Amino acid sequence: TQTVSQSDAHVTVFEGDSVELRCNYSYGGSIYLSWYIQHHGRGLQFLLKYYSGNPVVQGVNGFKAEFSKSDSSFHLRKASVHWSDSAVYFCAVSATGGYKVVFGSGTRLLVSP
Amino acid sequence: GALVYQYPRRTICKSGTSMRMECQAVGFQATSVAWYRQSPQKTFELIALSTVNSAIKYEQNFTQEKFPISHPNLSFSSMTVLNAYLEDRGLYLCGAKQGANTEVFFGKGTRLTVV
Repeated sequence: TQTVSQSDAHVTVFEGDSVELRCNYSYGGSIYLSWYIQHHGRGLQFLLKYYSGNPVVQGVNGFKAEFSKSDSSFHLRKASVHWSDSAVYFCAVSATGGYKVVFGSGTRLLVSP
Repeated sequence: GALVYQYPRRTICKSGTSMRMECQAVGFQATSVAWYRQSPQKTFELIALSTVNSAIKYEQNFTQEKFPISHPNLSFSSMTVLNAYLEDRGLYLCGAKQGANTEVFFGKGTRLTVV
């Protein structure tokens, strides 16, 4: 069974700051890891995913994430945030060959102007 | 490209009534469809998983009697929330994939308000 942990419920930064949103997972096999963003009152928007290959994956709007097998992590980063990046970010994992996606509890990012 | 459409996007129903929501896969064959619910201020919980040629599997705390699901072909699925009450409000998300070793594509969700 795969699990996902997002240790920070809330992160607050100023516009232009860099940010890292943390995600740790547990699963013994091969997996897909993804990040999604949910703006207030909206649905889920895909940001990026990792399955294999280069552990650093680039996503939309300047986001990137780095997979680390040794740390069981898939942290999301952005070098310079904009106020419009304020949203809830969900990390998700699914086992390759499986059908179930498990979501983390989400991290609410607030970017102050 | 692969897309998943959900409709309606938003709906309001009276307490005790039922509401049906639909999920359409475009550009790929949805061999499996999963329905999730996001209650207010919460994360996404899996309700059930429907895979072609297999029985629909419901997660703990969710039942077919409350959330009947139909998955009649490789492009469509629907789910009904029967006798909706306040605790059923939230965003219902459909995720579909083709085959085991592929990614899941999500719709934008159906937001259910119960009054």
